[in-house]
Amino acid sequence: EADIYQTPRYLVIGTGKKITLECSQTMGHDKMYWYQQDPGMELHLIHYSYGVNSTEKGDLSSESTVSRIRTEHFPLTLESARPSHTSQYLCASSGNLAGGDNEQFFGPGTRLTVL
Amino acid sequence: AQSVTQPDIHITVSEGASLELRCNYSYGATPYLFWYVQSPGQGLQLLLKYFSGDTLVQGIKGFEAEFKRSQSSFNLRKPSVHWSDAAEYFCAVGVYNNNDMRFGAGTRLTVKP
Repeated sequence: EADIYQTPRYLVIGTGKKITLECSQTMGHDKMYWYQQDPGMELHLIHYSYGVNSTEKGDLSSESTVSRIRTEHFPLTLESARPSHTSQYLCASSGNLAGGDNEQFFGPGTRLTVL
Repeated sequence: AQSVTQPDIHITVSEGASLELRCNYSYGATPYLFWYVQSPGQGLQLLLKYFSGDTLVQGIKGFEAEFKRSQSSFNLRKPSVHWSDAAEYFCAVGVYNNNDMRFGAGTRLTVKP
């Protein structure tokens, strides 16, 4: 059973606000990911991490930033939200660096609406 | 880089009918292949995966998929669909020991009573 959590599940905020989307996993996974998903579209990788103090940008350019201070925690921050940031954000984690199995486990997602 | 194509955006089947969702991938080496399901408002749940060995893999909820290297395909099948199978289905291709997993655009399944 995968244990990966995201909060909040839904967030409606005004333009210009700073927000942080939380993601935590209890599986001890080294690798963590953030995807952005729009309706009817594929998932786009926006950030990933191989472990503590490791963060990289994904394929899709994003104005968000991430941090990885603890293995289990991978928050995503938007300093100044805009309507173009309206989307669903999915957090995932997978395996450990020593293993090749890259099956990803997903959290329930945060649906963000910026007015 | 690898890529995934799911040709069908939306499929409607009657409850009890068989189902096949198509997935084609592009990758130069042997890929790792996955099928995920996403219910409304939820994250993705893994249905099954193929790494090596038997090309017919069994998953949860009665789903199976067959890897066909010659056709670069990994189609998902279920012999008898249940109303609870209505959801979005994503095919994904990954690389061993690499974070670079690519997802298809998804196929939305509607189940008619």
